Amino acid sequence: DSGVTQTPKHLITATGQRVTLRCSPRSGDLSVYWYQQSLDQGLQFLIQYYNGEERAKGNILERFSAQQFPDLHSELNLSSLELGDSALYFCASSAGQGRNSPLHFGNGTRLTVT
Amino acid sequence: GDSVTQMEGPVTLSEEAFLTINCTYTATGYPSLFWYVQYPGEGLQLLLKATKADDKGSNKGFEATYRKETTSFHLEKGSVQVSDSAVYFCALSDPYSGYALNFGKGTSLLVTP
Repeated sequence: DSGVTQTPKHLITATGQRVTLRCSPRSGDLSVYWYQQSLDQGLQFLIQYYNGEERAKGNILERFSAQQFPDLHSELNLSSLELGDSALYFCASSAGQGRNSPLHFGNGTRLTVT
Repeated sequence: GDSVTQMEGPVTLSEEAFLTINCTYTATGYPSLFWYVQYPGEGLQLLLKATKADDKGSNKGFEATYRKETTSFHLEKGSVQVSDSAVYFCALSDPYSGYALNFGKGTSLLVTP
């Protein structure tokens, strides 16, 4: 058990809809990272927050947004969903944001867009 | 940007065989390097890491050495078990993305009895 909790585990929704994925980091971890895993693109970094502030952006679409709350949990919002957004979405946390802070991953949310 | 390339799978081995999964990296600086493992239906778990040249990471019988001269971080295990069947990801930390990890495509390993 990594200590990172993601909810829900599975989500099925229709095109055009909006969903929110939730992540609770390990106790004491200040950094949260969001990743998308799909068969064709592999693991893609989306966005990082550190202690409530956005710190880095990867390949995140404009239809997607995220935030980190004062209690350090994070939410990833996906809107105007398309079939191609179907994927596994992982959250990871780390104690800091340096090169020596390994990421600890949750078990992911599997999103299916129909 | 910084990236890793790892050998494509699937790799199929018999139990007790020797395992090597190749990983090479491209980076402008000196990143930390990682191997993660993903078992079916689960998230990624850190297997081992190395933070500077010539460092050797090891865990559960797996080893990898950070080779700056060949920009490589190959994963090895002397004797694999059926329980090692999983997908293995090589990754480096990208200082230009908040030290997010850039992952390779993953290598699927199947160990047969």
